[in-house]
Amino acid sequence: RKEVEQDPGPFNVPEGATVAFNCTYSNSASQSFFWYRQDCRKEPKLLMSVYSSGNEDGRFTAQLNRASQYISLLIRDSKLSDSATYLCVVTDNVSGGGADGLTFGKGTHLIIQP
Amino acid sequence: DAGVTQSPTHLIKTRGQHVTLRCSPISGHKSVSWYQQVLGQGPQFIFQYYEKEERGRGNFPDRFSARQFPNYSSELNVNALLLGDSALYLCASSFANSPLHFGNGTRLTVT
Repeated sequence: RKEVEQDPGPFNVPEGATVAFNCTYSNSASQSFFWYRQDCRKEPKLLMSVYSSGNEDGRFTAQLNRASQYISLLIRDSKLSDSATYLCVVTDNVSGGGADGLTFGKGTHLIIQP
Repeated sequence: DAGVTQSPTHLIKTRGQHVTLRCSPISGHKSVSWYQQVLGQGPQFIFQYYEKEERGRGNFPDRFSARQFPNYSSELNVNALLLGDSALYLCASSFANSPLHFGNGTRLTVT
């Protein structure tokens, strides 16, 4: 069974701090990795794809460690608007869809406090 | 441009009934996927359709079925509803190898 494990939190972090989440995945054949953000009672939205070389988008940095099968997300200079649930997503299909779809973790709940 | 649209937004049904949920993908997207998200969990994959053919199926019972129409819109049908089917049902569309774009979802409550 393919699984993605995340610490559900909540992570309570003061505004301006740096916060990091990890997630682990069980399927070594996984090809594509993503972080999605989900606000309360809203749909998930793609935050960023995760590449083997690591990638950065503004205050957000994602890392992939294939050998240890974990993915990380780092948020610097956190804002109140970063409060959300962050979903780690893995798929064995390059396009992110395919026969088995996306496998989501349960999500990590982040609360940025003023 | 319109994103993925789903209808209805909310629905209340009783056990044993059936339900049909609808989804219109982003214009130009030929792939539609359905996910179920129970409170406190991540979304779980139900189906993927591409060019009107089922391309993937998650671990859901046969009470769940879907189809895709020539205009690429899709329906998800659930028969003999159970209390445990109460969830947010998410539809997502994609173009070629692009990441999935989710609709706002249909919140189904089974009483």
